[in-house]
Amino acid sequence: QKEVEQNSGPLSVPEGAIASLNCTYSDRVSQSFFWYRQYSGKSPELIMSIYSNGDKEDGRFTAQLNKASQYVSLLIRDSQPSDSATYLCAVTPPTSYGKLTFGQGTILTVHP
Amino acid sequence: GAGVSQSPRYKVAKRGQDVALRCDPISGHVSLFWYQQALGQGPEFLTYFQNEAQLDKSGLPSDRFFAERPEGSVSTLKIQRTQQEDSAVYLCASSPQGGGQPQHFGDGTRLSIL
Repeated sequence: QKEVEQNSGPLSVPEGAIASLNCTYSDRVSQSFFWYRQYSGKSPELIMSIYSNGDKEDGRFTAQLNKASQYVSLLIRDSQPSDSATYLCAVTPPTSYGKLTFGQGTILTVHP
Repeated sequence: GAGVSQSPRYKVAKRGQDVALRCDPISGHVSLFWYQQALGQGPEFLTYFQNEAQLDKSGLPSDRFFAERPEGSVSTLKIQRTQQEDSAVYLCASSPQGGGQPQHFGDGTRLSIL
């Protein structure tokens, strides 16, 4: 079992729809959770961080964390073609310095 | 302010050659990480520095890989006697302190071994 697994893609949604990206992790004591967006040929860009159970909203993005189920998700409302990218879920184990363990990424395509 | 800067952006080398990849983190950032990203995969951790101290090198694939950060700012990742399986994008990231703080990534160096 991989440490961090994301729902297999690619995911295709129409413009204006809600895109739902899911991620599960195996280490129950993981502490910090991140969603990065990566455009082709570019570096990962942090879009959301979440540290405690529940929902965290930032503009069109909502991250949801459920530590009991070891599950973290990202919802993108009113999806735009510019949201088309690979979305990476990342988790930090319980170390003092926070190295990231990434999932394999989910490719999202938002079509007009 | 400037973000994380990596150079070169692209590097092509013949199998067996040595290469050196440079990372210039955000000024003042204590923590510096190197990751390796294969095509179609998420980045994988290679090594971590806190200032000039290399506190974790558990992700380095072999003893051909060596990293340093002698003055606690710029870091260099060196790969000796390169192999084709070393072909990947090498990403550098920095954060103010580490400990779960968000990391800021550079654009990476795309290394191709012929």
